[in-house]
Amino acid sequence: DVKVTQSSRYLVKRTGEKVFLECVQDMDHENMFWYRQDPGLGLRLIYFSYDVKMKEKGDIPEGYSVSREKKERFSLILESASTNQTSMYLCASRTGGARGETQYFGPGTRLLVL
Amino acid sequence: AQTVTQSQPEMSVQEAETVTLSCTYDTSESDYYLFWYKQPPSRQMILVIRQEAYKQQNATENRFSVNFQKAAKSFSLKISDSQLGDAAMYFCAWGGTSSNTGKLIFGQGTTLQVKP
Repeated sequence: DVKVTQSSRYLVKRTGEKVFLECVQDMDHENMFWYRQDPGLGLRLIYFSYDVKMKEKGDIPEGYSVSREKKERFSLILESASTNQTSMYLCASRTGGARGETQYFGPGTRLLVL
Repeated sequence: AQTVTQSQPEMSVQEAETVTLSCTYDTSESDYYLFWYKQPPSRQMILVIRQEAYKQQNATENRFSVNFQKAAKSFSLKISDSQLGDAAMYFCAWGGTSSNTGKLIFGQGTTLQVKP
């Protein structure tokens, strides 16, 4: 079975802190994604990566950056956390180049910025 | 740009009954996939069912089936013989095929309550 893990289930940070959220997948997937989930808004794509060191902005990249130094690991970075970044963050991965292939999700990290 | 709309924030169903969750989408592409994902409380999101736009036959997976109306851009999920374990948030998602990125556009989600 595909396993996608995220470094923390719950995280509390202060405004202005630099925050790292890490995601690891064990299925050699090329594509990895970071979403944030907010009530009434569904999932919105922040960034995605289609290969090591390759990344593209999603729909809401402002205030975030990402890093993919190894194929299995995709990190989301909040350079200076703000209260409006309080949210649930979901990581996902998928086989690259396959039509209609599903995304596999991690358990999520619920981030509270005070 | 593609959009996905789920107009029912919450639904409830009696155990063993049937419920239908609605989803509409907008796209100018002709080749795409549609998905329903389930997110149980405090658990990981998983795929429920998938439909390819070129297939006229509606997808089914055990008690889950879809009603795919391509011209109307509608993609509803029917859950038959509802069980307590079906209680979750359900997301409809659209995925294009023009690139290999696998990006998905999600709807707002529908929370399904199953009453015993």
